[in-house]
Amino acid sequence: EPEVTQTPSHQVTQMGQEVILRCVPISNHLYFYWYRQILGQKVEFLVSFYNNEISEKSEIFDDQFSVERPDGSNFTLKIRSTKLEDSAMYFCASKATSGTYNEQFFGPGTRLTVL
Amino acid sequence: AQSVTQPDIHITVSEGASLELRCNYSYGATPYLFWYVQSPGQGLQLLLKYFSGDTLVQGIKGFEAEFKRSQSSFNLRKPSVHWSDAAEYFCAVGARGNEKLTFGTGTRLTIIP
Repeated sequence: EPEVTQTPSHQVTQMGQEVILRCVPISNHLYFYWYRQILGQKVEFLVSFYNNEISEKSEIFDDQFSVERPDGSNFTLKIRSTKLEDSAMYFCASKATSGTYNEQFFGPGTRLTVL
Repeated sequence: AQSVTQPDIHITVSEGASLELRCNYSYGATPYLFWYVQSPGQGLQLLLKYFSGDTLVQGIKGFEAEFKRSQSSFNLRKPSVHWSDAAEYFCAVGARGNEKLTFGTGTRLTIIP
């Protein structure tokens, strides 16, 4: 069964460093998402991406964040200069078609720890 | 703006007992509602969803949920839990016209023999 994969499973970085979180969505999917969950808090929407551009983003997704689909298979989230408060679990998701009622398929997450 | 509340952070039930996980949402119109489950090391898996029609929806793994507009609730139920149901359960709401899901904080389910 096709699944969304994410690498690495755990990333530790120093404050101020750049990190890139990688996701491989399901191959025929067209809509891509990043969410994050700070420990003990809600899963929060960060950004949605379709047709090689951001379709929606939250207020969390500021200039420190960027997304890219560099090669038609990977979908990446870059944090330019990490802060302590960026420590969280980051989930990638993908979906085949538009419409909020259509299922988003989630990856297992990358745990980011900023020291 | 939409929001979701899951009032129970952690629930413990005995294997074979019935289960109800609570979810309350806030949204001005008819929402799209979802329950996801996350087992350790796995991604969030969709259990079931509601977007219109019959207010009692059936999902995978024997789960069901009932949409109650008057109570702004979408509680998840299972008549008899199995040890393999131990996981984190997330309720989420989506709105027409945008693509994002808004999640609750999750409920961790522990099953005891």
